[in-house]
Amino acid sequence: EAGVTQFPSHSVIEKGQTVTLRCDPISGHDNLYWYRRVMGKEIKFLLHFVKESKQDESGMPNNRFLAERTGGTYSTLKVQPAELEDSGVYFCASSHGSPGELFFGEGSRLTVL
Amino acid sequence: RKEVEQDPGPFNVPEGATVAFNCTYSNSASQSFFWYRQDCRKEPKLLMSVYSSGNEDGRFTAQLNRASQYISLLIRDSKLSDSATYLCVVNGNDYKLSFGAGTTVTVRA
Repeated sequence: EAGVTQFPSHSVIEKGQTVTLRCDPISGHDNLYWYRRVMGKEIKFLLHFVKESKQDESGMPNNRFLAERTGGTYSTLKVQPAELEDSGVYFCASSHGSPGELFFGEGSRLTVL
Repeated sequence: RKEVEQDPGPFNVPEGATVAFNCTYSNSASQSFFWYRQDCRKEPKLLMSVYSSGNEDGRFTAQLNRASQYISLLIRDSKLSDSATYLCVVNGNDYKLSFGAGTTVTVRA
């Protein structure tokens, strides 16, 4: 069974540009999460989908970040316009039920120059 | 104050040694607790859940002390493959996980 897949694995963009990250969760997992690790800091929650509905987006830093999960399958996280402080590793995770037992993707490393 | 605090280490131990480390959490209403393992530049993977009575999974033993709000992980008979960063993870009554910054363990031959 395929795990959580994320694309791209690494993206280098300039300040002001737009980047869209994609996550394909494990098939059948209704819960999908985005987390972020900024260099030197701990992994932080961004938001949570149940199927196509946003359950909690309290961790989204600001309105430059937009997450979608149309059809309740894959999800995208768009950063527009990107700022230097957005650099970090963006992890997607999915779960069937338990909120603590997450399956993470390998992450999308974003570098904003 | 951080929600979850961990000693970053590194803990450098020889093969076969026992290593133990803790984390503390600030939210007394936290409901569930986990240890995740993360290898360099890889994704976090669930190592084990932590139960109130303490639990063991092979060479790994986890303990929870709710009164003092700390969680511990002990690794017995360390293997080279145990070298990783161990993340302490806490969950309240919602679906958000709070991560510690991780404790680095290096097992040397």
